[in-house]
Amino acid sequence: AQSVTQLDSQVPVFEEAPVELRCNYSSSVSVYLFWYVQYPNQGLQLLLKYLSGSTLVKGINGFEAEFNKSQTSFHLRKPSVHISDTAEYFCAVSETSKIIFGSGTRLSIRP
Amino acid sequence: DAGVIQSPRHEVTEMGQEVTLRCKPISGHNSLFWYRQTMMRGLELLIYFNNNVPIDDSGMPEDRFSAKMPNASFSTLKIQPSEPRDSAVYFCASSFPMGGSESEAFFGQGTRLTVV
Repeated sequence: AQSVTQLDSQVPVFEEAPVELRCNYSSSVSVYLFWYVQYPNQGLQLLLKYLSGSTLVKGINGFEAEFNKSQTSFHLRKPSVHISDTAEYFCAVSETSKIIFGSGTRLSIRP
Repeated sequence: DAGVIQSPRHEVTEMGQEVTLRCKPISGHNSLFWYRQTMMRGLELLIYFNNNVPIDDSGMPEDRFSAKMPNASFSTLKIQPSEPRDSAVYFCASSFPMGGSESEAFFGQGTRLTVV
C-alpha cells in the first residue's frame, strides 16, 4: 500500500533564503508523485508532478523537486523564498488512480 | 471550465442533523475524490469513484457517512446524524487518469462544516 511521510510539520525560513521541504514515500509499484500548495482558506493547487523521465522536475513559482528512487524521496526546493510563499505544502503519491497525501508542511517566511 | 464546484462553501448545523455536501467535477474527468481536512488528522481520503463507481471507501469514518455519484457530473457526501467531531473542511477533487494514474487531482474550494 502507498503512503507518504512529510517529516517536518513546520519550516520557518527568512525571506530570500533557500528552503527544502522533505517528502518520503512507500509503494509496492511504480508511482507518480506530486507537490501541492494550499494558501489560507483555499483548496489545493498543483505545484509540480513527477511522472517519468528526468528526475528533476520544475514547477510553478520557482519551485523544483527531485525524485530519488533509491531513497524513495521527492523533496521540494526553492533557492530563494518570498513572503508570498507562505502556505502549507503537501506531497502526494498516486498509484492505480488513488491519490494519497502527506500530513503537510507549513512554510512560514520571516522578513 | 469553471473547475470543481462544491456547495455549500460553509455549513453550520446542529448535532444530530443530516448534512449533505455537493460536488460537480470538471467535465470529462472520470475520477472523483472526497477528502476531509482537520488540524489533527490532516488531509484524509474518504472515498473515491472511477466512472461513477465507488472504488475504495476504506477511509469513510463510519456508517454515518455515505457518498453517491449518480452520474458523471454530480456527487454527494452525506452525514447522518452529524456530530461535533465531524467539523472539518471537506474537499472534492476530480482527475482524468490518462491510461494510468498520472493525472493530478483538481480541487474544489471546499466546504467548511461546523457541527454545534
